[in-house]
Amino acid sequence: KAGVTQTPRYLIKTRGQQVTLSCSPISGHRSVSWYQQTPGQGLQFLFEYFSETQRNKGNFPGRFSGRQFSNSRSEMNVSTLELGDSALYLCASSPAGTANTEAFFGQGTRLTVV
Amino acid sequence: DQQVKQNSPSLSVQEGRISILNCDYTNSMFDYFLWYKKYPAEGPTFLISISSIKDKNEDGRFTVFLNKSAKHLSLHIVPSQPGDSAVYFCAARPFNAGNNRKLIWGLGTSLAVNP
Repeated sequence: KAGVTQTPRYLIKTRGQQVTLSCSPISGHRSVSWYQQTPGQGLQFLFEYFSETQRNKGNFPGRFSGRQFSNSRSEMNVSTLELGDSALYLCASSPAGTANTEAFFGQGTRLTVV
Repeated sequence: DQQVKQNSPSLSVQEGRISILNCDYTNSMFDYFLWYKKYPAEGPTFLISISSIKDKNEDGRFTVFLNKSAKHLSLHIVPSQPGDSAVYFCAARPFNAGNNRKLIWGLGTSLAVNP
């Protein structure tokens, strides 16, 4: 069974540009969450999608957005990039159901904003 | 303000000994606590979890203890192996999250197990 796949693995962008990151969850998983990881802040929850609907959102500005497709694949978009957006962006997928709290992470996309 | 705190950024242990990683939380409104392990250049992988209605959960060499009165949990690894060297994250899920996957994470503790 393939794991969570994130593309691209590495990305360099300049300030003011926008970026789209992609995440393919484990087959059969309907929940996809996105996290930002920085050395000083740790993992910060961005948002979660379930059945193409955003189910919860973290405390990030509106420049950060996402969506989920009918095949559960998800994308996140960051517009008007700032230097502080440089981070590792992690996607995690989970099966549906409250009993399962385990999330399976991809390897992440390392975004560098210059 | 960190609701989940891992106050030790790093820990070094001799192979075969016990590793104890600690995590404190400030909010009583968590119903699940999880530990994840992360190797460089990889995403975190789930290790073990504990429900807030329990005080201990064991899985092989890994045991998690929960002390609700102290708002403290710990991960014990016995015996420690060099392959356990990684960053360990503590995470908590708020009550009433339902299907919500929003987890609150600590900053991680880097464990080095020396041969």
